[in-house]
Amino acid sequence: ELKVEQNPLFLSMQEGKNYTIYCNYSTTSDRLYWYRQDPGKSLESLFVLLSNGAVKQEGRLMASLDTKARLSTLHITAAVHDLSATYFCAVDGGSNYQLIWGAGTKLIIKP
Amino acid sequence: DVKVTQSSRYLVKRTGEKVFLECVQDMDHENMFWYRQDPGLGLRLIYFSYDVKMKEKGDIPEGYSVSREKKERFSLILESASTNQTSMYLCASSSSGTGNYEQYFGPGTRLTVT
Repeated sequence: ELKVEQNPLFLSMQEGKNYTIYCNYSTTSDRLYWYRQDPGKSLESLFVLLSNGAVKQEGRLMASLDTKARLSTLHITAAVHDLSATYFCAVDGGSNYQLIWGAGTKLIIKP
Repeated sequence: DVKVTQSSRYLVKRTGEKVFLECVQDMDHENMFWYRQDPGLGLRLIYFSYDVKMKEKGDIPEGYSVSREKKERFSLILESASTNQTSMYLCASSSSGTGNYEQYFGPGTRLTVT
């Protein structure tokens, strides 16, 4: 069974701190996706990682992919309140263009 | 920009009613998906379609049906709404031709069945 595990599932942190969200998966996929969801809103694509060693950065967020370890990380640098959201990772489901989703990490950043 | 729209942001229906949720995308995407999202249960795939008139069951198809008569439109139908179908419904689309499965989401429909 294809599985995607995120941890932590909940994270409360102070502004200005650094932290990392982890996404482990059980498939041999070399493509991984990160999404952001604000409370009551829909999902917004953040990063698409398409190969081993891929690294992408947008502002205070940086995502990386290690396909050999089947691990992706989403690193937050000097967190600010606006980054409070739920972050999902997903991998290719292998057929019919499906994605297999992690459970999401709810991130709360306190002033 | 890819745009995925859903017919309603909020919907309130009574138990037993037939409910139609519509999703339209404007990027000529081949693939379209319906998910429901409930607190603590993440995203669950109800149905998806990879071509006009084609449909595949997802993880939780019971109580739902879908229709895709045109490429840009994918409808989710609740034949007889029940209170346990109260949820946030998300539609998404993706292209078959980009080399990845990135999905683009609509704004969501929050359905309450009373």
